[in-house]
Amino acid sequence: NAGVTQTPKFRVLKTGQSMTLLCAQDMNHEYMYWYRQDPGMGLRLIHYSVGEGTTAKGEVPDGYNVSRLKKQNFLLGLESAAPSQTSVYFCASSTTTGQKEQPFGPGTRLTVL
Amino acid sequence: EDQVTQSPEALRLQEGESSSLNCSYTVSGLRGLFWYRQDPGKGPEFLFTLYSAGEEKEKERLKATLTKKESFLHITAPKPEDSATYLCAVQVYSGTYKYIFGTGTRLKVLA
Repeated sequence: NAGVTQTPKFRVLKTGQSMTLLCAQDMNHEYMYWYRQDPGMGLRLIHYSVGEGTTAKGEVPDGYNVSRLKKQNFLLGLESAAPSQTSVYFCASSTTTGQKEQPFGPGTRLTVL
Repeated sequence: EDQVTQSPEALRLQEGESSSLNCSYTVSGLRGLFWYRQDPGKGPEFLFTLYSAGEEKEKERLKATLTKKESFLHITAPKPEDSATYLCAVQVYSGTYKYIFGTGTRLKVLA
């Protein structure tokens, strides 16, 4: 099992550019999450999905869009990147009962100039 | 408002010097409390899950405990390889499961 994987690992964007982060999991988990981690702020939930074809807003959703077309994949999009979106992005997944740990991907370090 | 607070923010210990990290929470609908370890440049790595007050879990030099208002991560005779950021998260349920994270404790163990 690869667990949770993320691509790319690093990316530098200019303000206004767009990009998509890909998260994939091979554990057949229903729930998937996107977080951002900033110094002193902890992990904050951007968007999440409770199953294929579903998405919902988290704590800090503005400026991001997501899609869950396949159960194993969860995409995070930035339509027009801003310097405030410079962060480390983590994807995670969990079972429907939520009774187990939430495995995380290795993260994507994004810098917006 | 659901909230998770970890203390201290940073902790420096000598090798072998035992200590405890604190995670206090005010949430409604608590389903579980999770401890993670995070090394620089990596994603959080799961350590423990606690579900009810009085529960304890152990793994090597780490022991996690839970009360109705807080959790402690006790580190006994730490080694330099225990240096990392330790994150606490609470799992809540309000129609769907969500996780609320604390800001972490940065632990440095000196040889």
